[in-house]
Amino acid sequence: NAGVTQTPKFRVLKTGQSMTLLCAQDMNHEYMYWYRQDPGMGLRLIHYSVGEGTTAKGEVPDGYNVSRLKKQNFLLGLESAAPSQTSVYFCASRRRVAPSGSYEQYFGPGTRLTVT
Amino acid sequence: DQQVKQNSPSLSVQEGRISILNCDYTNSMFDYFLWYKKYPAEGPTFLISISSIKDKNEDGRFTVFLNKSAKHLSLHIVPSQPGDSAVYFCAASARVRGSTLGRLYFGRGTQLTVWP
Repeated sequence: NAGVTQTPKFRVLKTGQSMTLLCAQDMNHEYMYWYRQDPGMGLRLIHYSVGEGTTAKGEVPDGYNVSRLKKQNFLLGLESAAPSQTSVYFCASRRRVAPSGSYEQYFGPGTRLTVT
Repeated sequence: DQQVKQNSPSLSVQEGRISILNCDYTNSMFDYFLWYKKYPAEGPTFLISISSIKDKNEDGRFTVFLNKSAKHLSLHIVPSQPGDSAVYFCAASARVRGSTLGRLYFGRGTQLTVWP
């Protein structure tokens, strides 16, 4: 099991460029999440999905779009990158129902994005 | 407005001693709490959790205490080891149906340094 993987690991964009971050999980989890982490800010939820074909906004959704066409993949898109989107992006996934009663999310290794 | 607060950005402890990391929350609907550990350039990894029906949960060297009346939880690490040096995030969730189902609210993290 690879768990949660993210592509790419690093990326530098110029203002106005677009890109897509890919998250994949092989644990058959129903729920998937995109977070960003900024210094001193903890992790903030951008968008999430509770199932294939469904997405919802989180705490900081502006400037981002997402799609969940397949259960195992969750894509995060930046249509026109801005320097304020310089951050580390983490994807996470979780079972809908946890037999053990523990509802932890499993995180990927992160994508470090710099927008100049 | 932050619903989960970690007021100590850093903590330094000698190896072998106890580390106590604190977390406060404001939302009385939170009923499930988690601690994550994060090393540099890696994603957060789940450490331990506690449901609001308990006031203590123990896993090896790690114990989480929950004081619902004070809306406060703490993570105790005994004995502390140099490998425990990492950023620790407190997170909370409200396990009720609705748009926030499964969503975690994170604190800003506490950098723990364990020195020999």
